[in-house]
Amino acid sequence: NAGVTQTPKFQVLKTGQSMTLQCAQDMNHNSMYWYRQDPGMGLRLIYYSASEGTTDKGEVPNGYNVSRLNKREFSLRLESAAPSQTSVYFCASSVGILEQFFGPGTRLTVL
Amino acid sequence: ILNVEQSPQSLHVQEGDSTNFTCSFPSSNFYALHWYRWETAKSPKALFVMTLNGDEKKKGRISATLNTKEGYSYLYIKGSQPEDSATYLCAFRNNAGNMLTFGGGTRLMVKP
Repeated sequence: NAGVTQTPKFQVLKTGQSMTLQCAQDMNHNSMYWYRQDPGMGLRLIYYSASEGTTDKGEVPNGYNVSRLNKREFSLRLESAAPSQTSVYFCASSVGILEQFFGPGTRLTVL
Repeated sequence: ILNVEQSPQSLHVQEGDSTNFTCSFPSSNFYALHWYRWETAKSPKALFVMTLNGDEKKKGRISATLNTKEGYSYLYIKGSQPEDSATYLCAFRNNAGNMLTFGGGTRLMVKP
């Protein structure tokens, strides 16, 4: 099992560019999450999907959109990147409300 | 926004010392409290999920306790080793939904 995988590992964007971060899990988990991690801020939830076909906003959803493509895949899209979105992004999955399993992270820099 | 606080923010100990740190969370609408261990350049890994007041969990030299009535959990490490160096995160789930709210973490550094 690969667990939770994320692509890309690193990305540099210019302000205004768009991109999609990909996440996939092979553990047959129902729930998937996108977090951002900033220095001194801990992990903050951007969006989550409790099950295939549903998505909900987390603590910091502004500037992002998500798609739960199927049970395995949950993507995060930045339509018009801003420097404030420079961060490390983590995808996670879980069986409902149990422990979450995290991917390796995507380090995004917006210039 | 739920308030989950961890203290201290960072901690330096010598190899062999025992240590503990605190996670404070809202005492109302409690559902679960998670602890995660996060090593530098890796991703967070779950240590414990605790749901009942008075719960005590143990994994090797690491243990955790839970007090839901007063809204705190302690994580203890007995006889710290350099490989225990990591950031320890707690996360609170209330009974209203599927979200975890994370604290800011306690960064532990163990000197050999």
